[in-house]
Amino acid sequence: QKEVEQNSGPLSVPEGAIASLNCTYSDRVSQSFFWYRQYSGKSPELIMSIYSNGDKEDGRFTAQLNKASQYVSLLIRDSQPSDSATYLCAVARSGYSTLTFGKGTMLLVSP
Amino acid sequence: SQTIHQWPATLVQPVGSPLSLECTVEGTSNPNLYWYRQAAGRGLQLLFYSVGIGQISSEVPQNLSASRPQDRQFILSSKKLLLSDSGFYLCAWSDSNNQPQHFGDGTRLSIL
Repeated sequence: QKEVEQNSGPLSVPEGAIASLNCTYSDRVSQSFFWYRQYSGKSPELIMSIYSNGDKEDGRFTAQLNKASQYVSLLIRDSQPSDSATYLCAVARSGYSTLTFGKGTMLLVSP
Repeated sequence: SQTIHQWPATLVQPVGSPLSLECTVEGTSNPNLYWYRQAAGRGLQLLFYSVGIGQISSEVPQNLSASRPQDRQFILSSKKLLLSDSGFYLCAWSDSNNQPQHFGDGTRLSIL
């Protein structure tokens, strides 16, 4: 069974620090990778997409992809209390219409 | 721009009653459509997905069904709800395979 693994957390960081969230996947033919943020009681919101090896930056967010090691990570710089949420990693496999989601990592940013 | 509408936001239903949740997407054509359920404190469970009108794929056998009567309309139904059907139901769309999914605001369903 193809899986996406995330540490459930919570990951606690102080305000202003860098939060590092990691995700590993088992299917080598995975092509597209996404990070979602889900606040408690709300629906998931797409924050980053990454399709090729390396880093992709968008504001305070950086997604990193290493297909050889089968992991994707999300760095949040200058973490804010408003970043406190569960972060879901999702992976798309070639030829499939669905995404495989990890169970999410809870991030807590303390003031 | 594309938008997704899902309603109602909350729903309280008695055990054994029917269910109909509707989701519509605007601003795109022939989207892939998805229904998920998320139990409290749990991950996303894919229930159904559709790549075109009348095409429904079921991921989890249960007493729920889905239909896609129009290109941008996706309906989740049940004839008789069970207590275990409680949860947060999410509709999502994507442009095509390998593209991100975009979620609606969800319906919180409580079964009494």
